Amino acid sequence: KAGVTQTPRYLIKTRGQQVTLSCSPISGHRSVSWYQQTPGQGLQFLFEYFSETQRNKGNFPGRFSGRQFSNSRSEMNVSTLELGDSALYLCASSLGTGGGDEQYFGPGTRLTVT
Amino acid sequence: GENVEQHPSTLSVQEGDSAVIKCTYSDSASNYFPWYKQELGKRPQLIIDIRSNVGEKKDQRIAVTLNKTAKHFSLHITETQPEDSAVYFCAPGGTGFQKLVFGTGTRLLVSP
Repeated sequence: KAGVTQTPRYLIKTRGQQVTLSCSPISGHRSVSWYQQTPGQGLQFLFEYFSETQRNKGNFPGRFSGRQFSNSRSEMNVSTLELGDSALYLCASSLGTGGGDEQYFGPGTRLTVT
Repeated sequence: GENVEQHPSTLSVQEGDSAVIKCTYSDSASNYFPWYKQELGKRPQLIIDIRSNVGEKKDQRIAVTLNKTAKHFSLHITETQPEDSAVYFCAPGGTGFQKLVFGTGTRLLVSP
């Protein structure tokens, strides 16, 4: 079974620009969660999508948004990029049938904002 | 979930020693307690998890123990090996569907 994939793997953007990251979950998984990982703040939950609906949201500004398609693939968008948005963005997929399903992480997208 | 603390932040042991990492959480509704291992430059991977109706779970050299009353759970690694060197994260959750609240991480270094 293919694992979670994320594209692109690396991205360099300028302050003020916007960016879209993509995540393809494991086949059959309906939940996709997004996390931001930075050296200073660690791993922080952004949001979770299940069946095209946002089910849970972390404490990030509205510049961070996401969506999920009918095939469970998910995208996250960051608008008006700031230097502090430089991070590794990880998505994780799971069955999503209840709290505590094992989450499988993708390799991440490393975003650098200059 | 919610407020999660992990101790120690760094742990250095000799090969063959045991290592213990403790995770304290504040959300009494948490019912799922996983531990993730993240090697340098790689994605986090689940190594063991436990649910609130179980006090202890073991898988070869690793084990997790849970004290729900005191709101903490611990990762135990016995007979450590150099390939155990990584950052370990606890991530209690379960109350908010798939939302995991990660601890700050423990860097484990196993010296040969």
